[in-house]
Amino acid sequence: AQSVTQLGSHVSVSEGALVLLRCNYSSSVPPYLFWYVQYPNQGLQLLLKYTSAATLVKGINGFEAEFKKSETSFHLTKPSAHMSDAAEYFCAVSPNFGNEKLTFGTGTRLTIIP
Amino acid sequence: DTGVSQDPRHKITKRGQNVTFRCDPISEHNRLYWYRQTLGQGPEFLTYFQNEAQLEKSRLLSDRFSAERPKGSFSTLEIQRTEQGDSAMYLCASSLELRGGPNEQFFGPGTRLTVL
Repeated sequence: AQSVTQLGSHVSVSEGALVLLRCNYSSSVPPYLFWYVQYPNQGLQLLLKYTSAATLVKGINGFEAEFKKSETSFHLTKPSAHMSDAAEYFCAVSPNFGNEKLTFGTGTRLTIIP
Repeated sequence: DTGVSQDPRHKITKRGQNVTFRCDPISEHNRLYWYRQTLGQGPEFLTYFQNEAQLEKSRLLSDRFSAERPKGSFSTLEIQRTEQGDSAMYLCASSLELRGGPNEQFFGPGTRLTVL
């Protein structure tokens, strides 16, 4: 079975500081990995996805993530936080075959300090 | 294209009542998923349709739950004899199956169910 673990249910950073949200995965086969963002009262929006084409993945809104097989990690980073980045972030994994259902982590709420 | 829509956005019901939710996927998408999200948790997979065929159901989907996707377009999720534990956000997502995946799932805004 596949799973993801997000370390830190709440992360606070100052505006302009580095954002680092952690995600570790467990999978017996090469997975697809995703980061989604959820703003209040809105649906989940895809930030970026890893499909084995490249280990460093760039997404929307200046976010990127690096797939590290040796560490089974897929951490999300952004060099400089903006107030609009305040939201809930979910890491997810899916098999690379079949119905591709997503298995989500428990989420990390990101707060930006002015 | 207006994206994935869900109706209603909010539903309050009394324990024991039946409720039905509707999801309209992006028009050309052949795959449709239902997830459930409880407070403080990530979404959990419930069921999946490829066109009109329901191909997988999670063990979370008890016999009180039923989902349909007649004609392979919109989908409905019905909960019979609701329980307080059914209170959650019910999310619908759709995707277009393409070779060489993964196929991005587009999520609707969800239906928030409160069972009193």
